[in-house]
Amino acid sequence: DAGVIQSPRHEVTEMGQEVTLRCKPISGHNSLFWYRQTMMRGLELLIYFNNNVPIDDSGMPEDRFSAKMPNASFSTLKIQPSEPRDSAVYFCASNGVSGDNEQFFGPGTRLTVL
Amino acid sequence: GENVEQHPSTLSVQEGDSAVIKCTYSDSASNYFPWYKQELGKRPQLIIDIRSNVGEKKDQRIAVTLNKTAKHFSLHITETQPEDSAVYFCAAPDMEYGNKLVFGAGTILRVKS
Repeated sequence: DAGVIQSPRHEVTEMGQEVTLRCKPISGHNSLFWYRQTMMRGLELLIYFNNNVPIDDSGMPEDRFSAKMPNASFSTLKIQPSEPRDSAVYFCASNGVSGDNEQFFGPGTRLTVL
Repeated sequence: GENVEQHPSTLSVQEGDSAVIKCTYSDSASNYFPWYKQELGKRPQLIIDIRSNVGEKKDQRIAVTLNKTAKHFSLHITETQPEDSAVYFCAAPDMEYGNKLVFGAGTILRVKS
């Protein structure tokens, strides 16, 4: 298995632009997580899907952030409009069932908003 | 919901010495405690985990201990090597949401050679 796949790996954009981050979880995994990592705030959970349904979005900072999971193999995180304080590394992670809670992280997307 | 606190935030040890990182959690129902290692510029990766039915687990130079009464668990790295330098995160499950993990703030471990 190729593991969790994220794209793009790096994104540089200007303030006010729309940014879309993409994630493909490991095949067969039914939970997907979006995290944001910064030096100041550490690793923050933004939103969590189970069987394509958003379960907990309490970590989504504000209305500028939205996430979707149209099917079991694809999810997007969108920021519109982007702001410099959104600059961070965004990780996607997935895990399966059967009581195994290990989360497998993707390589991350490093977002820079100028 | 679950609350996880991790100490210390930074740790510097001499190569060959041991390193210990401690975490406390708040929900006595939590039953799974993983440790993730994140090297510079890389993704977090699971290095060891422990479930609530055991008190200690070892994997070569790495061990995790769990004290359910006190609600704390620790990562022990013996004979540290420069490649152990990384950020280490502990985590515990949010029992309200099952698969959701609550991560500690992380410990920057530096092994000096």
